[in-house]
Amino acid sequence: NAGVTQTPKFRVLKTGQSMTLLCAQDMNHEYMYWYRQDPGLGLRLIHYSVGEGTTAKGEVPDGYNVSRLKKQNFLLGLESAAPSQTSVYFCASSYSIGVSETQYFGPGTRLLVL
Amino acid sequence: AQKVTQAQTEISVVEKEDVTLDCVYETRDTTYYLFWYKQPPSGELVFLIRRNSFDEQNEISGRYSWNFQKSTSSFNFTITASQVVDSAVYFCALKGNQGGKLIFGQGTELSVKP
Repeated sequence: NAGVTQTPKFRVLKTGQSMTLLCAQDMNHEYMYWYRQDPGLGLRLIHYSVGEGTTAKGEVPDGYNVSRLKKQNFLLGLESAAPSQTSVYFCASSYSIGVSETQYFGPGTRLLVL
Repeated sequence: AQKVTQAQTEISVVEKEDVTLDCVYETRDTTYYLFWYKQPPSGELVFLIRRNSFDEQNEISGRYSWNFQKSTSSFNFTITASQVVDSAVYFCALKGNQGGKLIFGQGTELSVKP
């Protein structure tokens, strides 16, 4: 049981390049989330998904797109990377969206945009 | 609006000292949960504890204890007899009835020196 995994672990992009971050979970969780972590700001929600084929915007969605084609995978895309998107990205999943549900996090992806 | 404040940006202690990490939250929800996560130098986010808004009993787990006080909207975390392995960034987070959104504090970086 690997839990939540993220690919890649680290990436360097040039401004304007595109890339996709992959999140996978093997806990059969219905809900998945993408966060970004920035110094002094904690973690902020980018997008989330309440099930296969559904996505919704979080607190800071601009510049990102997501897709959930399979229940176990949640993709985060950057169409045209900007230096402001330099951050550590975390994926999380939970069994349900209820107030009591714990979200379990992946190891993170460090992204540097030059 | 929901908000979590961790006023202590950095704390440095010497091994075996006790240390308390403060967390103050704001919410209008009557039902909510509070969480603590640990982020060691390796970068992953590790779930430590969750507490619901109706349970104000203190929680103790080994050297860790949590003090939830609704009257002051605080959920403080104490490490007794700190160890070098406790060095990490600790995040407090809040989840109310707003679609599973987890609101994080800014984090407190704890450094335990031998």
